Amino acid sequence: ETGVTQSPTHLIKTRGQQVTLRCSSQSGHNTVSWYQQALGQGPQFIFQYYREEENGRGNFPPRFSGLQFPNYSSELNVNALELDDSALYLCASSLALVNNEQFFGPGTRLTVL
Amino acid sequence: DQQVKQNSPSLSVQEGRISILNCDYTNSMFDYFLWYKKYPAEGPTFLISISSIKDKNEDGRFTVFLNKSAKHLSLHIVPSQPGDSAVYFCAATSYQTGANNLFFGTGTRLTVIP
Repeated sequence: ETGVTQSPTHLIKTRGQQVTLRCSSQSGHNTVSWYQQALGQGPQFIFQYYREEENGRGNFPPRFSGLQFPNYSSELNVNALELDDSALYLCASSLALVNNEQFFGPGTRLTVL
Repeated sequence: DQQVKQNSPSLSVQEGRISILNCDYTNSMFDYFLWYKKYPAEGPTFLISISSIKDKNEDGRFTVFLNKSAKHLSLHIVPSQPGDSAVYFCAATSYQTGANNLFFGTGTRLTVIP
């Protein structure tokens, strides 16, 4: 059984640029959630995708967008990067209707200069 | 607005003793609670959970207690082992509102001293 994987591991961007982060779900999982974890904070929910459609969104602006593909992998896109977007971005997969047990990937560390 | 709070940023415990990690929440809609453990450079790992219809759930050395009236839960680890040293996050969700997101606390760093 393959766990949740994320790429890249680390990324450095400058303010105003755009970034795409990728996530592969755990085998058999059809739901993907994305979280932002700022330094010293707990993860904050960005949005969730189920069967390629957004299924809930946290308090993040529209420049945070996502996609889910037929194989249940997912992308997080952030446009017009701001310094405060520097954080660890976590992807979690789960089985629909069992969303409480979310399995997390190792995260992508994004630094915006 | 932090709906899940972990007021102790760190905790140190001797090996073999009990570790007690605390968590408070403000949203009365929360009906499912989870604890995650996080090692450096890894994502959070699910540890144990509890539904609001229960007040206790055990899994080996780990026990979670829920006090709904006080909106408080705690994680007990007995006996504590050096490998338990990690950051522990409390999380909550609501099946009434779809349970599609977890609200996390800020974490407690547990250090178990050999």
